[in-house]
Amino acid sequence: QVQLVESGGDLVKPGGSLRLSCAGSGFTFSDYYINWIRQAPGKGLEWVSFISATGDTRSYADSVKGRFTVSRDNGKNSLYLHMHSLRVEDTAVYYCARDDGFNLEYWGQGTLVSVSS
Amino acid sequence: QSALTQPASVSGSPGQSITISCTGTISDIGDYNYVSWHQQHPGKAPRLMIYVVNRRPPGVSHRFSGSKSGNTASLTISGLQTEDEADYYCSSYTAYNTWVFGGGTRLTVL
Repeated sequence: QVQLVESGGDLVKPGGSLRLSCAGSGFTFSDYYINWIRQAPGKGLEWVSFISATGDTRSYADSVKGRFTVSRDNGKNSLYLHMHSLRVEDTAVYYCARDDGFNLEYWGQGTLVSVSS
Repeated sequence: QSALTQPASVSGSPGQSITISCTGTISDIGDYNYVSWHQQHPGKAPRLMIYVVNRRPPGVSHRFSGSKSGNTASLTISGLQTEDEADYYCSSYTAYNTWVFGGGTRLTVL
């Protein structure tokens, strides 16, 4: 069955960096766009980024542009989110979700990033 | 990239029908049929309920339906059940090659 598993969440100080990972299984990872979506504690969903199946197209929300970079390694069935210059407002559960043609049907369970001094 | 506008809360009694609205702009809902609705129970990952305005993924009850008119999309849940109590989020692809979510609507089944 399709499975997405996020990892890498941690407590980090403002201005710090972190790399999140998303491992896919149960499907041909290299066939799909993958998105990152986050949810701050008690708040709604916020789209963060997507990367195309081959990695040649990437897009970012204005709130993270220039600070976050999405990448993927199709040989390892893995997606990454490199986060720099972290801010308190980046505190959230980060989900990866597979794009099945402009719909996000499969989501991971999320990984928590906490930015605090 | 302003969030889509949803009511903060709606409520209904078991068996009733409710509708949640989601208002965007000509740059998202108004120009694309890539509108989705997700359900989220506390502590759980979101679940896709409706995609491409009005299609249901396998396993989603026919009680859930979607529609769109102009810059506004709607989710209707008929025959409300207690397990429908959750947060609901709309989302849309945008003209800027991004996605945008609504602020979420808390559904209470009285």
